[in-house]
Amino acid sequence: AAGVIQSPRHLIKEKRETATLKCYPIPRHDTVYWYQQGPGQDPQFLISFYEKMQSDKGSIPDRFSAQQFSDYHSELNMSSLELGDSALYFCASSLSLQGRAAGANVLTFGAGSRLTVL
Amino acid sequence: AQSVAQPEDQVNVAEGNPLTVKCTYSVSGNPYLFWYVQYPNRGLQFLLKYITGDNLVKGSYGFEAEFNKSQTSFHLKKPSALVSDSALYFCAVTVVYSSASKIIFGSGTRLSIRP
Repeated sequence: AAGVIQSPRHLIKEKRETATLKCYPIPRHDTVYWYQQGPGQDPQFLISFYEKMQSDKGSIPDRFSAQQFSDYHSELNMSSLELGDSALYFCASSLSLQGRAAGANVLTFGAGSRLTVL
Repeated sequence: AQSVAQPEDQVNVAEGNPLTVKCTYSVSGNPYLFWYVQYPNRGLQFLLKYITGDNLVKGSYGFEAEFNKSQTSFHLKKPSALVSDSALYFCAVTVVYSSASKIIFGSGTRLSIRP
């Protein structure tokens, strides 16, 4: 079965550079989530999109932006990179239940993109 | 505020013994509770969830979790641990808004199974 595809798997950048991470959700999934996981940390929610519109925003820095395209893939753009941005970035997708059933959404995660800022 | 706590950073169990990974939650309203597992250099994988119904929920790889409303807990259990169960385990709760839902993870518990 198709899974969530993230690219690139590994990325090395210098401080103040920019980086773009891509996420291809499971076919027919309408919601994409981005999480950041620092070394030894739990995943921190950054941002989510439902049907190509931003649906929720978490602890995403102003230097970061994201969008979901017409084919439902999503990109996370990171500018003015800092050393502290080094982390594993996960994308997850779900077929969102609405209303009171929304809490039952199960997220399928990609393998992650490891960003190292030097 | 909605939150989930995992009081143990690390749990060590001998292979063949039962294991428990603890999780407590704080939510307003009915909780939606999940367990995810993360193997090294991999994304999180869904194990099981509690939405409503039976307090004992069975999931993947022989894991189960018991929802206890009075103790606001959702501990993960397995009757007989395998070395291959060694991984990072995250408890999570879903926060539901009017137009979206967001999953919040606990700090994670590293499970180590010794042969």
